[in-house]
Amino acid sequence: AQRVTQPEKLLSVFKGAPVELKCNYSYSGSPELFWYVQYSRQRLQLLLRHISRESIKGFTADLNKGETSFHLKKPFAQEEDSAMYYCALRKTMGAGNMLTFGGGTRLMVKP
Amino acid sequence: EPEVTQTPSHQVTQMGQEVILRCVPISNHLYFYWYRQILGQKVEFLVSFYNNEISEKSEIFDDQFSVERPDGSNFTLKIRSTKLEDSAMYFCASSEALWAGEAFFGQGTRLTVV
Repeated sequence: AQRVTQPEKLLSVFKGAPVELKCNYSYSGSPELFWYVQYSRQRLQLLLRHISRESIKGFTADLNKGETSFHLKKPFAQEEDSAMYYCALRKTMGAGNMLTFGGGTRLMVKP
Repeated sequence: EPEVTQTPSHQVTQMGQEVILRCVPISNHLYFYWYRQILGQKVEFLVSFYNNEISEKSEIFDDQFSVERPDGSNFTLKIRSTKLEDSAMYFCASSEALWAGEAFFGQGTRLTVV
């Protein structure tokens, strides 16, 4: 069965510092990976997905199949980046298209 | 921008009672989902629904749970006889396409079973 691990429950950085939120996965096939973000009192929303290879709000994430990782990075954190971040995997083999989530990392950006 | 809407935002119920959580997915979406998040734990998949039937369900989704699309707009999750361990945040989501579509989430219903 697929699994997503986010090893850090909390990551605290100062404004302007680089940020890396770690995500590792296990899946026997070739996965589809996503980062979702939940700002305070708001709903889960898609931040980015690996297939689109885009940068959203300055964040990027590269799928590393060798290391089975999909870390989220931003070179200069902003206070408005403070939120809960979830890495998620969607199977590409077999039935079903549900998302498997990691446990989430709370990012706090201090002024 | 269209949104997935869930009601109520918070529901308190006594153990053993039935609850129905309601969701209005985005209107042109075809795939509907329920997830839950017990406090301090991961967001977990419960069930997906397409073409008026369940397409996939997790081990959590036992006989106490059921889903329905009673009309063209609502998507409901029923818990027949609630247990204390059903206390969680329940998220509804919908997507337009099966493999390429982004899942849009509702704001959640916090269910507290006492």
